[in-house]
Amino acid sequence: DAGVTQSPTHLIKTRGQQVTLRCSPKSGHDTVSWYQQALGQGPQFIFQYYEEEERQRGNFPDRFSGHQFPNYSSELNVNALLLGDSALYLCASSLGFGNQPQHFGDGTRLSIL
Amino acid sequence: GESVGLHLPTLSVQEGDNSIINCAYSNSASDYFIWYKQESGKGPQFIIDIRSNMDKRQGQRVTVLLNKTVKHLSLQIAATQPGDSAVYFCAENKGDRGSTLGRLYFGRGTQLTVWP
Repeated sequence: DAGVTQSPTHLIKTRGQQVTLRCSPKSGHDTVSWYQQALGQGPQFIFQYYEEEERQRGNFPDRFSGHQFPNYSSELNVNALLLGDSALYLCASSLGFGNQPQHFGDGTRLSIL
Repeated sequence: GESVGLHLPTLSVQEGDNSIINCAYSNSASDYFIWYKQESGKGPQFIIDIRSNMDKRQGQRVTVLLNKTVKHLSLQIAATQPGDSAVYFCAENKGDRGSTLGRLYFGRGTQLTVWP
């Protein structure tokens, strides 16, 4: 039973560039959430996708956008990268409505030069 | 405002001892809580969860206690092992404006170090 998988594992970009991160949810899960984790901090919620729509959004600018595909996989896009966007980006999947545990992938480490 | 935080940033214990990691939350409307373990270079790993209609829940070597009166959550690890060394986060799961889709609010985390 495959867990949450994310790609790539590491990425280096320069300021102003754009990046796309990818996530495949745990088998049987239909909801994908994205989090940003700065060094030494807890993860911060970016947004959540269910039925291919953004359902909830955290306090992140419009430079952060996403997409969910019919197979429940998801992408996180960040435009006009800033140095402060350097972080570990985590994807978590869960099963639909109600309070259900979210299971995380190992993240993509994004470094902005 | 809403926040989930931990009382202690670091905790060191001897192998075989019991560990207790504490967490305070401020949103009385939260109805679901999760403990995660995060090892270096990995994503958070689900340990145990508890709903607000419960005071206690036990898993394998772990127990979570919820005190809604003082908005306090704790994770107890029995017979702590070196492999338990990691950062532990409590997370509060609450949807926005009545949404039934939860979102997680994390605290800073507690670094648990287990000495042989």
